[in-house]
Amino acid sequence: DTAVSQTPKYLVTQMGNDKSIKCEQNLGHDTMYWYKQDSKKFLKIMFSYNNKELIINETVPNRFSPKSPDKAHLNLHINSLELGDSAVYFCASSRSTGNLGYTFGSGTRLTVV
Amino acid sequence: GESVGLHLPTLSVQEGDNSIINCAYSNSASDYFIWYKQESGKGPQFIIDIRSNMDKRQGQRVTVLLNKTVKHLSLQIAATQPGDSAVYFCAENPGNQFYFGTGTSLTVIP
Repeated sequence: DTAVSQTPKYLVTQMGNDKSIKCEQNLGHDTMYWYKQDSKKFLKIMFSYNNKELIINETVPNRFSPKSPDKAHLNLHINSLELGDSAVYFCASSRSTGNLGYTFGSGTRLTVV
Repeated sequence: GESVGLHLPTLSVQEGDNSIINCAYSNSASDYFIWYKQESGKGPQFIIDIRSNMDKRQGQRVTVLLNKTVKHLSLQIAATQPGDSAVYFCAENPGNQFYFGTGTSLTVIP
């Protein structure tokens, strides 16, 4: 069983569209995250949820909206997609906030054309 | 934000040699560090961690060294194998989240 699963793995879409990426973890973790990895492999945190509550919201355009229906799911919805949104988006989870390692999903490669 | 930098963005080693990947971190309050390995097309995977009350930790073929005085940590891989080819990230945690470095790409030459 995949511990942290993201769908879709690849997403190609036109500028201006709205798209969602889904993430589910079956590890029983309390905290979930969204990271963006750019073309230079830099990993930047976007959001973090703990038990469905938003705890980290980095400087991200408000076109990005996370939604956590329960603690096993954290979805990312992106409105009005722009070329600069092209990146690989990783979902991750951990047992709690703070000093514990993360388990990452395999990533969603978003290409905006 | 935090700054976690790597001295070498790319590293090539012969199969069987030892590899050393270095990382400088900026926050002296960071007390927990993790090295991650990211293979092509996959998410980062945990390799080894170390807390600030230690200066060395060993795993299977990997050793992490922490020098808090100069805010530096390194990952040593013994007898590097082709399967070790990947991008390696260090990450520091000053309390509430991890900050990742830009990564070092390790290529193992057969």
